[in-house]
Amino acid sequence: NAGVTQTPKFRILKIGQSMTLQCAQDMNHNYMYWYRQDPGMGLKLIYYSVGAGITDKGEVPNGYNVSRSTTEDFPLRLELAAPSQTSVYFCASSYPGTGISEQYFGSGTRLTVT
Amino acid sequence: GEDVEQSLFLSVREGDSSVINCTYTDSSSTYLYWYKQEPGAGLQLLTYIFSNMDMKQDQRLTVLLNKKDKHLSLRIADTQTGDSAIYFCADSGTYKYIFGTGTRLKVLA
Repeated sequence: NAGVTQTPKFRILKIGQSMTLQCAQDMNHNYMYWYRQDPGMGLKLIYYSVGAGITDKGEVPNGYNVSRSTTEDFPLRLELAAPSQTSVYFCASSYPGTGISEQYFGSGTRLTVT
Repeated sequence: GEDVEQSLFLSVREGDSSVINCTYTDSSSTYLYWYKQEPGAGLQLLTYIFSNMDMKQDQRLTVLLNKKDKHLSLRIADTQTGDSAIYFCADSGTYKYIFGTGTRLKVLA
């Protein structure tokens, strides 16, 4: 009953460091998403993927990279961390269909860059 | 571009009704959604409405859609302390959502 699993839950980075936020889903969903959540700003889409090998930019992609080598995994890479990347990051997945498209969210990664 | 707007805060007394409002700009959505985020957790789908409906009722939840004014609302009857959370409306595109800013609902005992 795992759903969408994100690791780590918390991380503190120094400016200029790199890290990868992991996301895995076990629901065989084609679509996966990365969002960042800042107070009073809602969720902003960073990158999304409609299937293995296919990724595309969202609203706020600068400073991030993604890959999708399998259906299950969608890691988010921060190459040179900056204080502006301090945020809570959520991964989500959904299954494309003709009806409603519910997004299933992980529990988030709280990242602080100092 | 597409935009979804909500007020940031709402405070109600336990047992009262809560009404959370949302306005959106994209008129081509098939479904509009309400998600709930409890502290320290991700978002979970609360309810949704098909775009050709005016109203949907689901136990204590009532969703109203005014397509002419592009206005969506979520009414929670008999609000309980467990309803304290952030509520997001979302407008769905082909495979992307546009989320509102979220309304933080605080329920006073």
